[in-house]
Amino acid sequence: KNEVEQSPQNLTAQEGEFITINCSYSVGISALHWLQQHPGGGIVSLFMLSSGKKKHGRLIATINIQEKHSSLHITASHPRDSAVYICAVRNNNDMRFGAGTRLTVKP
Amino acid sequence: KAGVTQTPRYLIKTRGQQVTLSCSPISGHRSVSWYQQTPGQGLQFLFEYFSETQRNKGNFPGRFSGRQFSNSRSEMNVSTLELGDSALYLCASLLAGGPGETQYFGPGTRLLVL
Repeated sequence: KNEVEQSPQNLTAQEGEFITINCSYSVGISALHWLQQHPGGGIVSLFMLSSGKKKHGRLIATINIQEKHSSLHITASHPRDSAVYICAVRNNNDMRFGAGTRLTVKP
Repeated sequence: KAGVTQTPRYLIKTRGQQVTLSCSPISGHRSVSWYQQTPGQGLQFLFEYFSETQRNKGNFPGRFSGRQFSNSRSEMNVSTLELGDSALYLCASLLAGGPGETQYFGPGTRLLVL
């Protein structure tokens, strides 16, 4: 079993829909990161969480340390949100990644 | 402020050769992490450097090595290339490399081993 599990693997939405991507992990962590990767490979760091909730524009990320679970929400989705979203957990020694969620938002 | 640069962006090598990839972090950042991304394994951590010292290393064979220079630029080397080394190699720049820091990723070097 992978130490970092993401769901769903693929997600297709209509423009304007509310989107949720989930991440569960089984290891101890210092922080959890949400990353966005566009076609071509470039990765952008969206959030770093160690507790609670963060919001940036239409994106919201939450983490429940006790349940070892995090969610990334996108409100009012737009075609430009189409990308792969990757959950990554960091401890003192390394970083472990989920397999990613491929999001396609149709106009 | 200039972003993270990686050179070269694309590289084709043959089995058995060796390759050196370079990463220049954001000015003032002292930590560089390296990652390998393949379709089969996804993203995997290679190593992390801080102030010229390797701080952590992922589960990769000894053919994969790296170093960091006094100006924080980092190189990674892969010797005796195998077909399975074909991947996107990404580096990330951090101020000091703490677990709670934001990572700033470079555009990556796409390596194809024939």
